[in-house]
Amino acid sequence: AQKVTQAQTEISVVEKEDVTLDCVYETRDTTYYLFWYKQPPSGELVFLIRRNSFDEQNEISGRYSWNFQKSTSSFNFTITASQVVDSAVYFCALTFFNYGQNFVFGPGTRLSVLP
Amino acid sequence: DGGITQSPKYLFRKEGQNVTLSCEQNLNHDAMYWYRQDPGQGLRLIYYSQIVNDFQKGDIAEGYSVSREKKESFPLTVTSAQKNPTAFYLCASSSSSQETQYFGPGTRLLVL
Repeated sequence: AQKVTQAQTEISVVEKEDVTLDCVYETRDTTYYLFWYKQPPSGELVFLIRRNSFDEQNEISGRYSWNFQKSTSSFNFTITASQVVDSAVYFCALTFFNYGQNFVFGPGTRLSVLP
Repeated sequence: DGGITQSPKYLFRKEGQNVTLSCEQNLNHDAMYWYRQDPGQGLRLIYYSQIVNDFQKGDIAEGYSVSREKKESFPLTVTSAQKNPTAFYLCASSSSSQETQYFGPGTRLLVL
């Protein structure tokens, strides 16, 4: 079964704190893609990152970083020095190399960054 | 500018009425998708299309219908058979089913 779990339903932090959003996935496929999306209050989902299953290198983009560990089936997302504009719902998602299979989205984590 | 547009932003439906949500993309993507999002919930797939003139049901297709007559357009009709249509509807597209999905701004459907 393919499944994405985001155990943290809601997180609140104070501005400038670091915060990590957890994502754990289940799949029997050996080749797959993992994604993170941000959904601000406006509603549109904004693509943040895609990682394929062959590439376990961690990635950093500005204040954002991602830690992919196949051994624990996790793809965690860290925001350093959080800002109020980071307040949003964040979704982790999984898809596969085989044609015809669709995205599996996690339930999302609502992040509130307080001033 | 390349992107996905959805219209209208807000839509009101009366009892027994069919309504159609528009989704257009100029990204030259083959695949298009419709998702439903209820308050505080994740995304659920309604329908998807991987190529023109072909589409498949997702997890919650009952009460909905789609067409894919043109590559750039994937309209969703919410029929009167959908008893609880109040939700936020998101359209997405991707170059293929394995690739990144890009989303439109969404349509909020409310029942009068």
